Amino acid sequence: VKLVESGGGVVQPGRSLTLSCEGSGFNFNQYGMHWVRQAPGRGLEWVAIISYHGNNKYYADSVRGRFTISRDNSKNTLYLHLDNLKPEDTGVFHCARDGTDFWADYYNPHYGTDVWGPGTTVIVSS
Amino acid sequence: QSVLTQPPSASGTPGQRVSISCSGNESNIGDNTVNWYQHLPGMAPRLLVFKYNDRPSGVPDRFSGSKSGTSASLAINGLQAEDEADYYCASWDDSLKGVVFGGGTKLTV
Repeated sequence: VKLVESGGGVVQPGRSLTLSCEGSGFNFNQYGMHWVRQAPGRGLEWVAIISYHGNNKYYADSVRGRFTISRDNSKNTLYLHLDNLKPEDTGVFHCARDGTDFWADYYNPHYGTDVWGPGTTVIVSS
Repeated sequence: QSVLTQPPSASGTPGQRVSISCSGNESNIGDNTVNWYQHLPGMAPRLLVFKYNDRPSGVPDRFSGSKSGTSASLAINGLQAEDEADYYCASWDDSLKGVVFGGGTKLTV
């Protein structure tokens, strides 16, 4: 069971970037998926969640309207599109699998994220 | 400012028992389960305790979680040097419709 992120890099403020996360070793299409980030010297910050079928998405207030989570179950891949990047978006972005299969919407219980990728680093700087 | 409140640091000597607290409100801890993570620098976070007090396969039973009202605790028994890490609590928040994390507690052994 494995998750591997890619797509990080150095980008100027105001620009865009798309991160990818490929899952393997499990039925990717049966799990809700999350993005979690960590800014330098700061703690973990939850970014977004997408349901197993991709129909329902929720975001942290700090990124709503700028970041878009999506998935392609035919490719076992999760995405995070980052728009209008700010210096405070700098950090390591991890994708993570929801601990309960078939997470569909906010009323389903959340029992943690049990599989994490190593992360991909985004640096927003001019 | 994190939604869940944790002490920034904790410490103990090998063999001791250490407890890390996590405080929230009715829309997160009060109404949902609390999950605990261990995070070593440069590595992926690791789920330690989930649901009420379940542990994923491979997590030793030295780690245990508890909840009372809008607060929760992670206890580590028989502290070992390898337990030195950052620890985070997290919970679903019904009002925010998302996951909220604590600010993290740096454990020194």
